[in-house]
Amino acid sequence: NAGVMQNPRHLVRRRGQEARLRCSPMKGHSHVYWYRQLPEEGLKFMVYLQKENIIDESGMPKERFSAEFPKEGPSILRIQQVVRGDSAAYFCASSQTGNTEAFFGQGTRLTVV
Amino acid sequence: GENVEQHPSTLSVQEGDSAVIKCTYSDSASNYFPWYKQELGKGPQLIIDIRSNVGEKKDQRIAVTLNKTAKHFSLHITETQPEDSAVYFCAEAGGSSNTGKLIFGQGTTLQVKP
Repeated sequence: NAGVMQNPRHLVRRRGQEARLRCSPMKGHSHVYWYRQLPEEGLKFMVYLQKENIIDESGMPKERFSAEFPKEGPSILRIQQVVRGDSAAYFCASSQTGNTEAFFGQGTRLTVV
Repeated sequence: GENVEQHPSTLSVQEGDSAVIKCTYSDSASNYFPWYKQELGKGPQLIIDIRSNVGEKKDQRIAVTLNKTAKHFSLHITETQPEDSAVYFCAEAGGSSNTGKLIFGQGTTLQVKP
């Protein structure tokens, strides 16, 4: 039973490019959360999705960031026109329901140069 | 608002000693309190959690206590080993938003000296 799978593990983008981060939840899990971790800091909630629905996006920056969790395939966190301040580790977590244990992937470390 | 304070930020102990990390939260509606361990370059790993209907939970060398009245909870690690060295995060969920999103503390870097 594979855990939460994130890819790529490392991503380098130049300023102004787009970054796409993928997350496949654990088998049987239909709830996905994205978090951002800046160096030497804790994790900050970004968005909560269920299949084809955004449930809570209160932590998402208003511009350039978007997320989706289609009926088929992984959840995608998309960052348009990246800036240096977007450099961080982005973690995805999944849970079976919205009120059970959440398990994290290994993260995608985005570096904007 | 939603806020979790975690202390200390760093903790150094000798192998075999106990380690205690404390967190306080602000949302009285919170009902789920997990603890995560994060090793360098890896994702957070759930090590223990507690719900608001119990005051204490233990799993081998790890225990968590919850005081809902005072809105604080603690992680206790006994007989520490070098492999316990990592960053530990407390979190809370189930508060006013009740969406399952986790609000994390700032983290505690635990160093266990052999």
